[in-house]
Amino acid sequence: AQSVTQPDIHITVSEGASLELRCNYSYGATPYLFWYVQSPGQGLQLLLKYFSGDTLVQGIKGFEAEFKRSQSSFNLRKPSVHWSDAAEYFCAVAPIGSARQLTFGSGTQLTVLP
Amino acid sequence: NAGVTQTPKFQVLKTGQSMTLQCAQDMNHNSMYWYRQDPGMGLRLIYYSASEGTTDKGEVPNGYNVSRLNKREFSLRLESAAPSQTSVYFCASSRTGPGETQYFGPGTRLLVL
Repeated sequence: AQSVTQPDIHITVSEGASLELRCNYSYGATPYLFWYVQSPGQGLQLLLKYFSGDTLVQGIKGFEAEFKRSQSSFNLRKPSVHWSDAAEYFCAVAPIGSARQLTFGSGTQLTVLP
Repeated sequence: NAGVTQTPKFQVLKTGQSMTLQCAQDMNHNSMYWYRQDPGMGLRLIYYSASEGTTDKGEVPNGYNVSRLNKREFSLRLESAAPSQTSVYFCASSRTGPGETQYFGPGTRLLVL
């Protein structure tokens, strides 16, 4: 069965600093890959997704993620964090061409210091 | 265009009571989903509906039932609520299967005493 690991439960960065959130997956083949963000009391919003092609994916709000097949990773990055980026971030995977469920990681809580 | 809407936003139940969580989408999506979110566990799929008239169990279906009323609406029912069902429930929809982007509602916070 597929699984998603987000090894960092909580990350704290200063405003203006760079950010990298880690995501590793376990799956038999390359799945579809997603990053979602959840602001307090809100639903999940899609930041970006990887289906195929260029392994560096650009998303909304200045985020990007790089798919590395050899490492089974899909890390999320942002060069300069804003206070409004404080939220919880979820990595998720889904099988290609299947109606099976999206599997989420347990999330990384991001705190941004002024 | 409201996207995915959920009612109610918050509910308190006593053990053994029943209730139905409502979800509607106006994006003409075929697939709809119900998830629960618990601290430190991410989101887990309860049930999903790949198209109108079909439903399938997800990872944690026990204690829940669903109805795909029409293409727009997908409800989740707790027949006899238990404290273990205290959670935040999210509905989502997508154009086809999970490989397509899922759009989420704002969630329903449920407390079972």
